[in-house]
Amino acid sequence: DTEVTQTPKHLVMGMTNKKSLKCEQHMGHRAMYWYKQKAKKPPELMFVYSYEKLSINESVPSRFSPECPNSSLLNLHLHALQPEDSALYLCASSPSLAPGGLRPQHFGDGTRLSIL
Amino acid sequence: KQEVTQIPAALSVPEGENLVLNCSFTDSAIYNLQWFRQDPGKGLTSLLLIQSSQREQTSGRLNASLDKSSGRSTLYIAASQPGDSATYLCAVPINNAGNMLTFGGGTRLMVKP
Repeated sequence: DTEVTQTPKHLVMGMTNKKSLKCEQHMGHRAMYWYKQKAKKPPELMFVYSYEKLSINESVPSRFSPECPNSSLLNLHLHALQPEDSALYLCASSPSLAPGGLRPQHFGDGTRLSIL
Repeated sequence: KQEVTQIPAALSVPEGENLVLNCSFTDSAIYNLQWFRQDPGKGLTSLLLIQSSQREQTSGRLNASLDKSSGRSTLYIAASQPGDSATYLCAVPINNAGNMLTFGGGTRLMVKP
């Protein structure tokens, strides 16, 4: 069982819908991440939160809107998505953003998103 | 910009073989390197993390080595089993500012019974 929980596991939505992806961890980690993974491709970083503040936005379109309401939760709000946004969206966490040391990232199982 | 490459992209072996997966990176100034396993439709499971000061890490049948100066890491799997079939990804920090990862393209491993 993963220590990072993502819901829903699957989501199908139309291009005009508004939906949200949720991620939760209770390991006391203060850094949380959203990655996007297309089929047979590696994950690509989208957003990074550190101590509930947005630290990095990797030039992601505004139709993706992240939110970190508290240290355990990370949301990704979706609006007016395009078919090319269909992918596996992965959430991850780590104790901090501090470089070095034994600080592996823990990943959830992802939300598989399909845009009709 | 850090770039990570993995070869081979796909590998099929009979059960019981020892095998080596390769990972190379362009910027040798890394703090650590991480190996992950991904099963189809699932998230990533961290297998091994090697700090820059280490040369190798071992976990069970897995052994990962790191040669920073040459920009290379290898993942050695001993006595492969069908349950090892998965995609294996290596990752390094995007820059030395933190834990944001950039991944190699992965090696899709199939171990045949």
